[in-house]
Amino acid sequence: SAVISQKPSRDICQRGTSLTIQCQVDSQVTMMFWYRQQPGQSLTLIATANQGSEATYESGFVIDKFPISRPNLTFSTLTVSNMSPEDSSIYLCSVSDGVYNEQFFGPGTRLTVL
Amino acid sequence: GQQVMQIPQYQHVQEGEDFTTYCNSSTTLSNIQWYKQRPGGHPVFLIQLVKSGEVKKQKRLTFQFGEAKKNSSLHITATQTTDVGTYFCAPNAGNMLTFGGGTRLMVKP
Repeated sequence: SAVISQKPSRDICQRGTSLTIQCQVDSQVTMMFWYRQQPGQSLTLIATANQGSEATYESGFVIDKFPISRPNLTFSTLTVSNMSPEDSSIYLCSVSDGVYNEQFFGPGTRLTVL
Repeated sequence: GQQVMQIPQYQHVQEGEDFTTYCNSSTTLSNIQWYKQRPGGHPVFLIQLVKSGEVKKQKRLTFQFGEAKKNSSLHITATQTTDVGTYFCAPNAGNMLTFGGGTRLMVKP
């Protein structure tokens, strides 16, 4: 199974600033995903990070707010731009791998916006 | 994505009691996956169900997929404190998961 690391693990940011979250996988994977999980809630898919092309965003999420990079098959970044307190959440990356195309998740980045 | 409803939202049980969470869809699902998220942790894959009426067991956990492939359940026999966490069902369509709302299980020792 894939092993995923994320940086930073947590951050406290000021309103109006931006934060870039990194996701590193220990093997090459085709599909990488970014999710948001608000406290006590389920996971909501933000976008699929595509290697060599633009990310595919889910309804309610736009590239200007959540730009994503995927320079190779082991790495991706998610930027949360022009942050507001409503962006306070846990952001998780995942990869689709394994026999059942199950997803393996990184440990998450806990973001607090003041 | 395919929408699923999970019930109950929360469940408190005494250690040793059984626990069941249900996942319901208005549409037929091609398959469904289950994940467990411990408090402060990230979701971890438990199992995938594909066939109509399928039943799979993992020690004290029993997973079922309905005959119509519109519902699924996870049953834990004789809960232990290590079972604490949130259990999510998630239909998988084209490698894309749509997570249900989750059932948070709390176990009193």
